This record gives sequence, structure tokens and C-alpha cells, in this order.
Amino acid sequence: DADVTQTPRNRITKTGKRIMLECSQTKGHDRMYWYRQDPGLGLQLIYYSFDVKDINKGEISDGYSVSRQAQAKFSLSLESAIPNQTALYFCATSEGGSYTDTQYFGPGTRLTVL
Amino acid sequence: AQSVAQPEDQVNVAEGNPLTVKCTYSVSGNPYLFWYVQYPNRGLQFLLKYITGDNLVKGSYGFEAEFNKSQTSFHLKKPSALVSDSALYFCAVRDAGFQKLVFGTGTRLLVSP
Repeated sequence: DADVTQTPRNRITKTGKRIMLECSQTKGHDRMYWYRQDPGLGLQLIYYSFDVKDINKGEISDGYSVSRQAQAKFSLSLESAIPNQTALYFCATSEGGSYTDTQYFGPGTRLTVL
Repeated sequence: AQSVAQPEDQVNVAEGNPLTVKCTYSVSGNPYLFWYVQYPNRGLQFLLKYITGDNLVKGSYGFEAEFNKSQTSFHLKKPSALVSDSALYFCAVRDAGFQKLVFGTGTRLLVSP
């Protein structure tokens, strides 16, 4: 969905380096999410934010941190990358306000940690 | 806690034949069910969702899904498969007590010409 963009799209880094993945959206949604996708495991929630002042840990937050700089921007950081953080990372947004609202995903960032 | 199971890692079907991708769920309250599709090198795209009402839900690209409460299932279907339907399909659930989606492990659909 072009309304949700992620940068970079691909990144190769080394163990111990700090990495930031960025997500921007023009959908005007309040809620934003970070997921990682590993083969055979589906998507796992890392962090989510229901508004600029609300940040929550997901299922697998260890080793990650986030920053919600504005309604439209939500960044994911790996303070000291390790090889098992090699994965495909997705940002998503949703309007919120209902249990039935739909999440919309960015194109993903493929991260490789050597 | 809510959970979703997609029992098939891969489904193979010939073009023109009907397809079914299976999903079963477990929730403590009313289920809110979703199907997403992921094409190569793309993010997940929303296909359809079940909230309440008719058990047969129609979505994008000719897909539909049948909600069956007694079998706790939400299978994705299409009457006539296209080669372009080949992709990875994810079922997801959110129940009334949680704000997050829980995804299944995905099913790869391969439609052969």
C-alpha cells in the first residue's frame, strides 16, 4: 500500500551495529504497528502505538525499541543488532476506535545481520 | 489467548479449479477474523474480514470466506483459481478483549497453468 512507506527496503549490517527502520503513513491513522516475519512463523508483533503518547510492547520486544515522532511516523531501532534479528520487518497502520478496524501494511524492510 | 491455525503449509491447485485455504481459530469471545495476501516482495494486502452477520463474506479479487462458528473455522475460497492468485495467505484473528491481531503461520498457494 503506497500510503504506508518504509525505509530502507533492504539493509545489510553487522552484529553489534545500531539500526533504525523508519515508517511513514499518509492515511491519517492513529495506530501504528511493527511486525517481523520469519519463514514458517507468520507475523509476530514487536511494538504498537495507539497514539503519539502511547507505546506498547508486543510479543517479541526484547532487543528492539521504538519512537513515535508524530502521528505519521513510527521508527523501530535495533540498538545492537544480532544475527537472529535477520528477518522481514513490516510496519502497519489502522484507524482504530473499533475491534473491527483493518490494518494496512507497508512494503517491508528486509534486514540481514551478519 | 486467541490463536489461529493454518494447517496447510502449501496448497496446490490447477488454474480454473476452485480453491480453499483453511483456517481455524480459538478465541474467548466473539471472533473478528481477517484474511490477508502477500505477493512476492510486497507487504500484506487486506482481502476480507468477518465481523458479524452473514457467514459468507465476499472480498477483493473474487475471494470469499465462510465463517463456521461450530467448527471454529474461517476458510478462504475462490470458485475459479488464477495463476496470479499464487501468493502467501495469512489468516488473522482479534477477539473483543484484545486490540491486536494474531496471525497464522501462512499458507502458500500455488496455482499451476
